[in-house]
Amino acid sequence: DAGVIQSPRHEVTEMGQEVTLRCKPISGHDYLFWYRQTMMRGLELLIYFNNNVPIDDSGMPEDRFSAKMPNASFSTLKIQPSEPRDSAVYFCASSLFQETEAFFGQGTRLTVV
Amino acid sequence: GQQVMQIPQYQHVQEGEDFTTYCNSSTTLSNIQWYKQRPGGHPVFLIQLVKSGEVKKQKRLTFQFGEAKKNSSLHITATQTTDVGTYFCAGRTGGSYIPTFGRGTSLIVHP
Repeated sequence: DAGVIQSPRHEVTEMGQEVTLRCKPISGHDYLFWYRQTMMRGLELLIYFNNNVPIDDSGMPEDRFSAKMPNASFSTLKIQPSEPRDSAVYFCASSLFQETEAFFGQGTRLTVV
Repeated sequence: GQQVMQIPQYQHVQEGEDFTTYCNSSTTLSNIQWYKQRPGGHPVFLIQLVKSGEVKKQKRLTFQFGEAKKNSSLHITATQTTDVGTYFCAGRTGGSYIPTFGRGTSLIVHP
C-alpha cells in the first residue's frame, strides 16, 4: 500500500482565494483525520470521519473551513476564503479502528500571502 | 477538555547522551501513543501503551506508562544523530476515542 496520499504537497495562494486540499486514505481504514500543524498551536485535530461520515468537527476553526468525504477513498478540506493566518502544514491521517495507530500523509504546506 | 502536557519543549544533547521526554495528563488515559516526526516530515507511529505500569523497549528507546495512567515517558539511551526530530505523545481517555496530541519535544543531537 502506498500509504496516505495527500495533494498538493505545497500550495501558495493569495488571500481571499479558495484552497482545496486532498487526501486518499489507506484502503480499508475506517477513520480519516484532518490535522493542522503550526509552531504556535502544535498539532490540532480539525475534523474526523468514520465510514465517510463526519463525527466531530469541533476543531474546525470557523465557517471558512469545510471538509467532505464523498467516498471511502477520498476526502477534501476546503478553505474559502483563505487568510494569511491559515498558513500551516495540513496533515491527513487514517486508521483502521479509532483506537489504533494513525498513519499520516506527507502533509500539504499551505502558504497564504 | 482533555489536555496532554509534554515537557521539555526542546532538548539539546551531545551525541551519545541520553534523552527523556515526559507526557502528563490531567485525566486518566485509556492508552497512550508515541510518534516521531523528522524535520520536514510527518508523524510516524512508534508505539502504543495500554496497561498501568507498562514498559516497552525498541532498541535504544524505552517507553513507560505510569501506574496511575496519567503520565508516560520516552527515554532514548545513547542518542544518535538519526534520533533528531520531534517526539509526540497522544493520549486517549475512555470518554473520547480520539487521541489528544501533546505539543511535542524537539530533540537536537549535536555530533
